[in-house]
Amino acid sequence: DSGVTQTPKHLITATGQRVTLRCSPRSGDLSVYWYQQSLDQGLQFLIQYYNGEERAKGNILERFSAQQFPDLHSELNLSSLELGDSALYFCASSVVSVWGEQFFGPGTRLTVL
Amino acid sequence: DAKTTQPPSMDCAEGRAANLPCNHSTISGNEYVYWYRQIHSQGPQYIIHGLKNNETNEMASLIITEDRKSSTLILPHATLRDTAVYYCIVSPRDFGNEKLTFGTGTRLTIIP
Repeated sequence: DSGVTQTPKHLITATGQRVTLRCSPRSGDLSVYWYQQSLDQGLQFLIQYYNGEERAKGNILERFSAQQFPDLHSELNLSSLELGDSALYFCASSVVSVWGEQFFGPGTRLTVL
Repeated sequence: DAKTTQPPSMDCAEGRAANLPCNHSTISGNEYVYWYRQIHSQGPQYIIHGLKNNETNEMASLIITEDRKSSTLILPHATLRDTAVYYCIVSPRDFGNEKLTFGTGTRLTIIP
């Protein structure tokens, strides 16, 4: 158990819909990272927040957005969903703002039908 | 445009040392080498990282060549629980817009 929690564990929705994934970092961690893992793209970095501010942006689509709240939990919003958005979405947290040792949550499996 | 190259799969006998190679010939001076592993579809687990010196922790050792173009992760006494996909990643510590991916990794199977 890494101490990072993600909800929901599974999510099934239809194309065109919007969903929100939630992540609670380890106690004391200020950074939250979001990753997408699909069969054809592997594990890709999407975006990082540090203490409420966007810190780094990776392969995140314009249809996706994220935020980190004052209590440091984070949400990843996925809109206008397409079949290709079906994937495992992982959240990770770390104490520092720089890339390094991160603790990953169990993931949310999104299925778009 | 992969920054690292790893063998797709390896086997290792239980109790023996598992040596996982990684080539990163285009590594920049400010980029670190990181190793993570992923068991089934669980969240990846951090193992170790280094810049140019060899590193060791309770999980593994990381050997980086002097020219930094390749490295080897060593699991000293492999157990069945070490069966996983191992990812070698190079990245600067301080990055902004980084199209970072974990690549395809090496699927390590520990044989009883």
